Amino acid sequence: DGGITQSPKYLFRKEGQNVTLSCEQNLNHDAMYWYRQDPGQGLRLIYYSQIVNDFQKGDIAEGYSVSREKKESFPLTVTSAQKNPTAFYLCASSTQINTEAFFGQGTRLTVV
Amino acid sequence: SQKIEQNSEALNIQEGKTATLTCNYTNYSPAYLQWYRQDPGRGPVFLLLIRENEKEKRKERLKVTFDTTLKQSLFHITASQPADSATYLCALDIYNYGQNFVFGPGTRLSVLP
Repeated sequence: DGGITQSPKYLFRKEGQNVTLSCEQNLNHDAMYWYRQDPGQGLRLIYYSQIVNDFQKGDIAEGYSVSREKKESFPLTVTSAQKNPTAFYLCASSTQINTEAFFGQGTRLTVV
Repeated sequence: SQKIEQNSEALNIQEGKTATLTCNYTNYSPAYLQWYRQDPGRGPVFLLLIRENEKEKRKERLKVTFDTTLKQSLFHITASQPADSATYLCALDIYNYGQNFVFGPGTRLSVLP
């Protein structure tokens, strides 16, 4: 089955620790995205990538980092510099920028 | 400043009625607009895309309109069912501004039996 997979579904992190969220897709999509969603708010773009080995900052990139070494994979690292990391994180992909996006099931990160 | 608004955070309607959700935007000139459905704790699912030169798009019980003069899109669900209860998000293409999608805050629809 083609799709986009995020793992883990739930993640707990101690303050001061970095943590990496996984996102894998087998849809052969060029573009991949990371969004953050807070209660009662829309999705806010963290980073996006149009092609392997290239990525761009979104609206709220501070405290986050990404890599795009393979077309299928776009991991997101939440660093200790992110002041308020507790949120629901969504990864998405599309055939190219600005066509319909396919989303993963999300990772809920909680800082304890 | 650039802004996307969706009508009331929550909308309750009776089963069988038509639900109408609104997406308004300012200071954007999107080439197209998308609507997504999101269930609690899950990722959004794409529903419909409408381009700036299209007035209306339909898919089964769903209908979307796009008025670039009013800077507004309307999303209709006819003959609504309790299974339609979810949060609906609109998303604008803002590629011209160096990014891609920007999402509205969503409207939580509850269809009451």
